[in-house]
Amino acid sequence: GQNIDQPTEMTATEGAIVQINCTYQTSGFNGLFWYQQHAGEAPTFLSYNVLDGLEEKGRFSSFLSRSKGYSYLLLKELQMKDSASYLCAVTEAGSYQLTFGKGTKLSVIP
Amino acid sequence: DADVTQTPRNRITKTGKRIMLECSQTKGHDRMYWYRQDPGLGLRLIYYSFDVKDINKGEISDGYSVSRQAQAKFSLSLESAIPNQTALYFCATSDAGNQPQHFGDGTRLSIL
Repeated sequence: GQNIDQPTEMTATEGAIVQINCTYQTSGFNGLFWYQQHAGEAPTFLSYNVLDGLEEKGRFSSFLSRSKGYSYLLLKELQMKDSASYLCAVTEAGSYQLTFGKGTKLSVIP
Repeated sequence: DADVTQTPRNRITKTGKRIMLECSQTKGHDRMYWYRQDPGLGLRLIYYSFDVKDINKGEISDGYSVSRQAQAKFSLSLESAIPNQTALYFCATSDAGNQPQHFGDGTRLSIL
């Protein structure tokens, strides 16, 4: 089984940088995904990490440390449209099933 | 047109009724999934299928059944709906391997 923890809510200011953390415990790790979900809409894929280190994609970056069971999503130059829930999800070795955390609701304020 | 289409988008029904939610995709993916999302609980996997003849239970399959009629179609049934099955249901697809999942727009189901 897997256990995934992320903060429930965060607030940040437009133009700032915010880091959303995710910790996980799993019997076998095969990769970590971040998804963005606006209220009432479908989740959309943001990033994927399977090796340790930082993956950068424009304003969004994601970091993974497998030894610590830890990832973060970094959002730079925040915009109002970044207000959404951010879902951390882990795949278990051999199954390719995704187990999702409960999500972090980010509110960007002016 | 959406790559992953769910029908209906909204449904209100009564306890005890049989409900079918449909999902079709034009992405050519082999793998399809059904999730439910509840406030405070996140997305939870109900069933998944890696091919037409392959059906697997997820974390919360009790009270649900699925049918993979073709590569492009995966339907979810509630044989006798109960109020605690009120939720937002998502279908998703992915390629083989550790590829990202692509979600439909969801079906909001209310059971009275």
